[in-house]
Amino acid sequence: EAQVTQNPRYLITVTGKKLTVTCSQNMNHEYMSWYRQDPGLGLRQIYYSMNVEVTDKGDVPEGYKVSRKEKRNFPLILESPSPNQTSLYFCASSTPTGPYTQYFGPGTRLTVL
Amino acid sequence: AQSVTQLDSQVPVFEEAPVELRCNYSSSVSVYLFWYVQYPNQGLQLLLKYLSGSTLVESINGFEAEFNKSQTSFHLRKPSVHISDTAEYFCAVRTPSGSARQLTFGSGTQLTVLP
Repeated sequence: EAQVTQNPRYLITVTGKKLTVTCSQNMNHEYMSWYRQDPGLGLRQIYYSMNVEVTDKGDVPEGYKVSRKEKRNFPLILESPSPNQTSLYFCASSTPTGPYTQYFGPGTRLTVL
Repeated sequence: AQSVTQLDSQVPVFEEAPVELRCNYSSSVSVYLFWYVQYPNQGLQLLLKYLSGSTLVESINGFEAEFNKSQTSFHLRKPSVHISDTAEYFCAVRTPSGSARQLTFGSGTQLTVLP
């Protein structure tokens, strides 16, 4: 089954404790992306990757890091989480050619205390 | 630059009533348009899309949307909603010549179907 998986689905942590949210897709997509979803703001892109070892900032990259060492995996790293990073996070991957229909993971709800 | 405006953040409607979720976009060039749906505790799923051709596009579960270039709109409609249609709906836009990076989402409309 074609899918995007994220782990963990729920995470409660404290300020400053480094964490990683994993994302994996089995569709051989070149393009992957991370979004955060906040009430009234819709989805905002954090980082994206056009292919292995190619990553770039989205609209709200501050406080986040990513890496793309393998085509299927695109982890999101919060090196020193803060309460304003409490949010619902989605990973997505996309078809390699237009119109780039995005396939989303189930989401990770992060709470930073 | 492109932008998407979803005019209603919340739309309550009774079961079997019709519904329209409004979406307007701003772009100086031609666009592709999408509606995504997010059921409770799930990720977003593509509902329907307009790329070219017929301006009326339909989904498998009875939704339809019409691309109106003069009004820069892509409103989503369903003639008779079910309880199971309760979800958040996102309109999105990108340019045909743009990259996957350039997908812009609206702020979402929560559709609640009441019994």
